[in-house]
Amino acid sequence: DTAVSQTPKYLVTQMGNDKSIKCEQNLGHDTMYWYKQDSKKFLKIMFSYNNKELIINETVPNRFSPKSPDKAHLNLHINSLELGDSAVYFCASSQDWQGLYEQYFGPGTRLTVT
Amino acid sequence: ILNVEQSPQSLHVQEGDSTNFTCSFPSSNFYALHWYRWETAKSPEALFVMTLNGDEKKKGRISATLNTKEGYSYLYIKGSQPEDSATYLCACNQAGTALIFGKGTTLSVSS
Repeated sequence: DTAVSQTPKYLVTQMGNDKSIKCEQNLGHDTMYWYKQDSKKFLKIMFSYNNKELIINETVPNRFSPKSPDKAHLNLHINSLELGDSAVYFCASSQDWQGLYEQYFGPGTRLTVT
Repeated sequence: ILNVEQSPQSLHVQEGDSTNFTCSFPSSNFYALHWYRWETAKSPEALFVMTLNGDEKKKGRISATLNTKEGYSYLYIKGSQPEDSATYLCACNQAGTALIFGKGTTLSVSS
């Protein structure tokens, strides 16, 4: 069983479109995250949710809206896609939001905006 | 914003060599430090989570130490194997803040 899964794995779309990426974890963790891997392969935190509540929002544009319907799911919706949104997006989960436990990462979603 | 520095950026060793990398971070308000192993075309996998000054952790041939007073952690690999080739990420945080990742050290091991 995959611990942290993301769909889709690849997403190619045009500028201005709206798209969503889904993430699910079956580890029973309380905390989930979205990271963006930029062109230099640097992992940068976007959002962190704990028990469905947003606890960290790292100055991400309003076009990005996370939604957590329950503890096991954290979806990322992106409005009005721009070229600069092209990146690999990783979802992760952990037992706590404070950093005392390791994070488990999903396989990543490669988003290409043309 | 917390600044996490890793060095070297990359290195190449021969099979059987032992090697080590450094992660530097601000020592003030330190809370936790993580090491991850990231193979090409895969996702990062946790190696260690360390919180206490003087902590030493070991997993097989890989070990790590932590010095929170001076703000650094070392990751050691003993007897490197080709399958150790990966990018090793360090991340740390202050209390109540998100983990900030360094840019990683990319290790290449030749047989």
